[in-house]
Amino acid sequence: EVVVTQSPATLSMSPGERATLSCRASQSISRNLAWYQQKPGQAPRLLIYSASTRATGIPVRFSGSGSGTEFTLTISSLQSEDFAVYYCQSSNYFFGQGTKLEIK
Amino acid sequence: QVQLVQSGAEVKRPGAAVKVSCKTSGYTFTTYAMHWVRQAPGQRLEWMGLINTATGNTKYSQKFQDRVTFTSDTSASTAYMELSSLRSEDTAVYYCARGKPEYDYWGQGTLVTVSS
Repeated sequence: EVVVTQSPATLSMSPGERATLSCRASQSISRNLAWYQQKPGQAPRLLIYSASTRATGIPVRFSGSGSGTEFTLTISSLQSEDFAVYYCQSSNYFFGQGTKLEIK
Repeated sequence: QVQLVQSGAEVKRPGAAVKVSCKTSGYTFTTYAMHWVRQAPGQRLEWMGLINTATGNTKYSQKFQDRVTFTSDTSASTAYMELSSLRSEDTAVYYCARGKPEYDYWGQGTLVTVSS
């Protein structure tokens, strides 16, 4: 079973800064990784799939990279609406534990 | 436009069963699998399994496979999740999500509360 581990658990940043979130898989999953954003009381929203493809309507400040076991979600310049919890999901459908991006 | 609309909140006693529906519109129901994901309060997203809406075949997470049943009604473009032998730890928001395999559309979530 592939286990995905996210880091850090919490990231405290200011608007305008660049945020880097990490996701590590316990074994190679090629590029079969997705990223989701979840705000309180809402369903998750797909941001990135196949490691680096932005979903429809997702701003260009969100980018994904990586392959194999190491993946990164980068938000180039944080906007107020980006403060949320982010999850990665591997090809076997299991999710990481999430990274909470909070305002510093 | 694509929509997944779930049934309303439920309160159940321990040991009971709950059935949640997910009615879809805006696309051909049998084109994509339907996945079910739950989220206990303050916890991570937890994959429960999927149903191939074209064939009815299911795949369950090992954690739930003894207690969960997924079904679908293609004529109604609706998927169902039934979870039995409920316990307090099953209190969570349950989501359906269209799998491409990535989840591009989600239901709004159904809160299931298990309490005596």
